[in-house]
Amino acid sequence: DAGVTQSPTHLIKTRGQQVTLRCSPKSGHDTVSWYQQALGQGPQFIFQYYEEEERQRGNFPDRFSGHQFPNYSSELNVNALLLGDSALYLCASSLLGEQYFGPGTRLTVT
Amino acid sequence: AQSVTQLDSHVSVSEGTPVLLRCNYSSSYSPSLFWYVQHPNKGLQLLLKYTSAATLVKGINGFEAEFKKSETSFHLTKPSAHMSDAAEYFCVVTQRETGFQKLVFGTGTRLLVSP
Repeated sequence: DAGVTQSPTHLIKTRGQQVTLRCSPKSGHDTVSWYQQALGQGPQFIFQYYEEEERQRGNFPDRFSGHQFPNYSSELNVNALLLGDSALYLCASSLLGEQYFGPGTRLTVT
Repeated sequence: AQSVTQLDSHVSVSEGTPVLLRCNYSSSYSPSLFWYVQHPNKGLQLLLKYTSAATLVKGINGFEAEFKKSETSFHLTKPSAHMSDAAEYFCVVTQRETGFQKLVFGTGTRLLVSP
């Protein structure tokens, strides 16, 4: 079992650009959640996808959007990047319970 | 609203001595509480969870935590630290009103273990 995988591992973007991060859930999991972890902070909930729809959303602007595909994989899109969007982006998958986290994508905005 | 406060940003112990990482929570309803560990360049790993069953919860790698409603605390302990325990630890709360899916993390406690 590969567990939760995320790509890419690292990414460098310029302010104003757009970025797409990808997540493949653990086998058998149907729910994907995304978290942002700024340096020195705990992860913050962005949103959760279930059955290809956004089910819950945290306190993040509309620049943050997502998508879930029929195979349960998911993408996180961030538009109009700001310096403050630099963080580790974590994906977690679950099936009616415990969330399993991937290793994250480190996004640096310059 | 729900939140957790981790009372120490850093804790330093010697190998073989006890570990205590402190966490207080705030929740409008009956919470579920978790401790996660994050090693450098690795994903978050669940250590243990409390979901309204036994108040003393045993987790992996010898860790345990006790839910104390009267003190709104959920402190993490281990009798004897090992060098491999050095990592960042997060106390996490969630509750039924969010379907137990929105995890709210504390700011983390970095555990340092010296030989």
